[in-house]
Amino acid sequence: GAGVSQTPSNKVTEKGKYVELRCDPISGHTALYWYRQSLGQGPEFLIYFQGTGAADDSGLPNDRFFAVRPEGSVSTLKIQRTERGDSAVYLCASSLTAGGETQYFGPGTRLLVL
Amino acid sequence: AQKITQTQPGMFVQEKEAVTLDCTYDTSDPSYGLFWYKQPSSGEMIFLIYQGSYDQQNATEGRYSLNFQKARKSANLVISASQLGDSAMYFCAMIRSGSARQLTFGSGTQLTVLP
Repeated sequence: GAGVSQTPSNKVTEKGKYVELRCDPISGHTALYWYRQSLGQGPEFLIYFQGTGAADDSGLPNDRFFAVRPEGSVSTLKIQRTERGDSAVYLCASSLTAGGETQYFGPGTRLLVL
Repeated sequence: AQKITQTQPGMFVQEKEAVTLDCTYDTSDPSYGLFWYKQPSSGEMIFLIYQGSYDQQNATEGRYSLNFQKARKSANLVISASQLGDSAMYFCAMIRSGSARQLTFGSGTQLTVLP
């Protein structure tokens, strides 16, 4: 079956612009996670959804970052007034539930803020 | 707070030989899970193996095995019979039990398999 997909694969934007990153989880997976990976580091947690609701958004760095999952499937990570420090790979993962099952990752979106 | 430490920024191994990638962790939770992921240059994180803190036996998945030493808080990954395609970044990660479901990752080890 299809894995986690993310679009776009690459995004270049200018400082101050708004961007949206999309994640389509594995079909039937109720839990969805967003992580951010800076160059040379491990991924860092941003937010996770159980169904439509954000169960934990403690990793969002500030109020410029927001994510939604309105129908409990596809999720969109939204970044307002982008800054050069937002440049990173944004990874999405999904798991069958949030009960400790393995998280399966998508290929990521590489965001570059000029 | 949880912490994962991977002390080997880079490792080299000869093709067909075994290699051990180190991972130590720190947590006060009585129940947790440990994962290893592989990240090739393409960027996708590929799940390799999982070990639960209460599992009695070390996990194995094909050529991958996890050497879990709970008292030492270590969860080393052993790759047997290395292949050129094993060259990648390897991350150790931990998950807590309960409501906090996020993974905490280490800084990774870059493995290079030599022909």
